[in-house]
Amino acid sequence: EPEVTQTPSHQVTQMGQEVILRCVPISNHLYFYWYRQILGQKVEFLVSFYNNEISEKSEIFDDQFSVERPDGSNFTLKIRSTKLEDSAMYFCASIPGLVNEQFFGPGTRLTVL
Amino acid sequence: AQKVTQAQTEISVVEKEDVTLDCVYETRDTTYYLFWYKQPPSGELVFLIRRNSFDEQNEISGRYSWNFQKSTSSFNFTITASQVVDSAVYFCALSEGDGGATNKLIFGTGTLLAVQP
Repeated sequence: EPEVTQTPSHQVTQMGQEVILRCVPISNHLYFYWYRQILGQKVEFLVSFYNNEISEKSEIFDDQFSVERPDGSNFTLKIRSTKLEDSAMYFCASIPGLVNEQFFGPGTRLTVL
Repeated sequence: AQKVTQAQTEISVVEKEDVTLDCVYETRDTTYYLFWYKQPPSGELVFLIRRNSFDEQNEISGRYSWNFQKSTSSFNFTITASQVVDSAVYFCALSEGDGGATNKLIFGTGTLLAVQP
């Protein structure tokens, strides 16, 4: 069964460094998402992406964040200058159409020191 | 505004007990979708069920059942004869389904279910 994949599974970085989190959505899916889950808290929406552009973003998704679909398969989340409070699990998700359930990747745990 | 409330932060039961996880939602839309996801200790999010706002039929899948009641804006989840493997955090989520919406998920704060042997 096709699945969403994410790399790396765990990333440790120093405050102020740039990080890129990578996701490979399911191949025929059209809508892509990033969510964040700070340890022990709920899952929060960051951004949605469709037709090569952002369709919606949350207040969390400030100028330090960007997303890109550089080729036909990868979907990346970049944090330009990481802060301690960016430490969280980041989930990528995709759907084939708007009325479907979201398929989540296994997550990338980001630790900012 | 959309909101999902899971008032139970933690529930502990003994194996074979039945347990119900509560979910109350708020939305102004007439078309919306409700979901339950399971997050085991390994951390991934596992999809369990999706219901649309026009389908109030209860659903049963093995030991799992869901009770959707629009009148009380609730979408509760019952596990019958719980097992240790059911131990996880369970999230209820809402997305609005109007044309043009991005279908983002609004999650509740989750309920940690601990099933003791």
